[in-house]
Amino acid sequence: NAGVTQTPKFQVLKTGQSMTLQCAQDMNHEYMSWYRQDPGMGLRLIHYSVGAGITDQGEVPNGYNVSRSTTEDFPLRLLSAAPSQTSVYFCASSPGRTWEQYFGPGTRLTVT
Amino acid sequence: GIQVEQSPPDLILQEGANSTLRCNFSDSVNNLQWFHQNPWGQLINLFYIPSGTKQNGRLSATTVATERYSLLYISSSQTTDSGVYFCAVKETSGSRLTFGEGTQLTVNP
Repeated sequence: NAGVTQTPKFQVLKTGQSMTLQCAQDMNHEYMSWYRQDPGMGLRLIHYSVGAGITDQGEVPNGYNVSRSTTEDFPLRLLSAAPSQTSVYFCASSPGRTWEQYFGPGTRLTVT
Repeated sequence: GIQVEQSPPDLILQEGANSTLRCNFSDSVNNLQWFHQNPWGQLINLFYIPSGTKQNGRLSATTVATERYSLLYISSSQTTDSGVYFCAVKETSGSRLTFGEGTQLTVNP
């Protein structure tokens, strides 16, 4: 099993550009989540999904969209990038309501 | 929402020393996890421990849910133990994990 995979590993965007961060898992986990980590801080939840077709907002959802059309994939879309979205983004999956999280390797995003 | 406090914020050890990291939380939880973020940024699951005690090699963890704290013990520390240790909890009535701000551990040779 590859576990949770994320692409790209690094990305630089200009203010106003849009892009999609990809996340996939091959563990047949129901739950998937996106977090951001800013310097010196813990992780904050952006959006999450409890199954295909079901998504909900986390703590810091503004400026981001998600969809979950399959169990395996959970892309995160930045609609119009802003410098405040410079961060490291982690995708995670969980087998169910326990929220026992398994993390991907992260995407480091810089918005100039 | 639930508050999660980790202590100490920073810890510097010599190789071979033992240490205890603490996580306090403000409400009842049904999930508590410890993670190690290594210097390359990778988040590694250490323990899923909403209650009780678990051990994995040199690491062990104890959660006393009724008193709202968890402890992570590292024995005979090695330089590869360096990094940030995060505690994350999910309120029993909630639907997401909340992370503490972490303990930065540096193990010197």
